[in-house]
Amino acid sequence: QVQLKESGPGLVQPSQTLSLTCTVSGFSLTSNSVHWVRQPPGKGLEWMGGIWGDGSTDYNSALKSRLSISRDTSKSQVFLKMNSLQTDDTAIYFCTRSHYYSAHGWFAYWGQGTLVTVSS
Amino acid sequence: DIVLTQSPALAVSLGQRATISCKTNQNVDYYGNSYMHWYQQKPGQQPKLLIYLASNLASGIPARFSGRGSGTDFTLTIDPVEADDTATYYCQQSRNLRALTFGSGTKLEIK
Repeated sequence: QVQLKESGPGLVQPSQTLSLTCTVSGFSLTSNSVHWVRQPPGKGLEWMGGIWGDGSTDYNSALKSRLSISRDTSKSQVFLKMNSLQTDDTAIYFCTRSHYYSAHGWFAYWGQGTLVTVSS
Repeated sequence: DIVLTQSPALAVSLGQRATISCKTNQNVDYYGNSYMHWYQQKPGQQPKLLIYLASNLASGIPARFSGRGSGTDFTLTIDPVEADDTATYYCQQSRNLRALTFGSGTKLEIK
């Protein structure tokens, strides 16, 4: 069955770089897109960006200068790197998969999410 | 970016109908489809897809949930509401695939 699992550090210092990994199973990264969505404590969902089946990427314009999403299809992993973290980047970070096809821009499968706290 | 506007909160009596609205600042229709989707999120959980392409029920979602709308006005209806429907509901557009956006969420309370 389709599974996604986020991993990474729970605590990041201000101005440092966040690196998260989404390890997937049950589907191919070349057939579906994987996206990152974050949620600050008590707030709403924010699409950060995604990597499509063909390997191309798109990013939220508000984060584009700090954000990079990549993948390793042989390991079934998608990576998020975001630099210059500040306290308002504290959030639960989810990875999520497109519904049936890569070009479906809605999300039927979600990881459990990983809480990232930005603090010194 | 396409902006999605939702009311912050709604309270509905058990067994009644809940109607949650989502309005966009741009048309999200394209070639016969409305690229609007709905999610339910309970505290401490990941979002769950309820409705895709405005009116299609996602797998495993009870028929109490329905969606309708087109253009810039969309609604999610739960009829009848059950106690377990207490959650926050988000709309999301994919008309602009390169800039996906969510609404701010509507918190549903069951009285």
